[in-house]
Amino acid sequence: EDQVTQSPEALRLQEGESSSLNCSYTVSGLRGLFWYRQDPGKGPEFLFTLYSAGEEKEKERLKATLTKKESFLHITAPKPEDSATYLCAVPSNAGKSTFGDGTTLTVKP
Amino acid sequence: NAGVTQTPKFRILKIGQSMTLQCAQDMNHNYMYWYRQDPGMGLKLIYYSVGAGITDKGEVPNGYNVSRSTTEDFPLRLELAAPSQTSVYFCASSYNGVDQPQHFGDGTRLSIL
Repeated sequence: EDQVTQSPEALRLQEGESSSLNCSYTVSGLRGLFWYRQDPGKGPEFLFTLYSAGEEKEKERLKATLTKKESFLHITAPKPEDSATYLCAVPSNAGKSTFGDGTTLTVKP
Repeated sequence: NAGVTQTPKFRILKIGQSMTLQCAQDMNHNYMYWYRQDPGMGLKLIYYSVGAGITDKGEVPNGYNVSRSTTEDFPLRLELAAPSQTSVYFCASSYNGVDQPQHFGDGTRLSIL
């Protein structure tokens, strides 16, 4: 059974203080790994897909990386508007995804 | 594009009442999903569909039913509402569910009193 564990559960940063979120996974065969952002009262919004170890994707202050066992979401010089819950997920060959419980990021001005 | 549209946005039900949560997507996606998210918790899959006429249970299907008569629509039915079904319900869709991401609606907030 696929498993996804995210850490930490919550992260509080000062504006400009860079950090990383972790997503550890156990899957029978990696078909990809997705990162999503969820704002309060909204549905998750897709950020990145990573398909193979060593791959990196960037968007503004966010960079996602992938190894054979985990993925990191690096946040460089965050701003208050980056505050959200970040979810990672791995798809199965049945078309379902296993989601982690998320990391709630709060960036203080 | 509208993407994934869920209605209603909010609803209060009494115990034992029934209702249908509507979900429609205009992206011609084959796969559709229903999740529930309790406060401070992760997403739990209720049901999913890989195409019109095909549905399957997720990890928390009890108390719910679904149907998929068209590619666009995937309604979720609550037959006898119970307080434990108070939650936020999200519908999502994906082109193939395997190496393409899911696109989510903005949810239906349901309270059972």
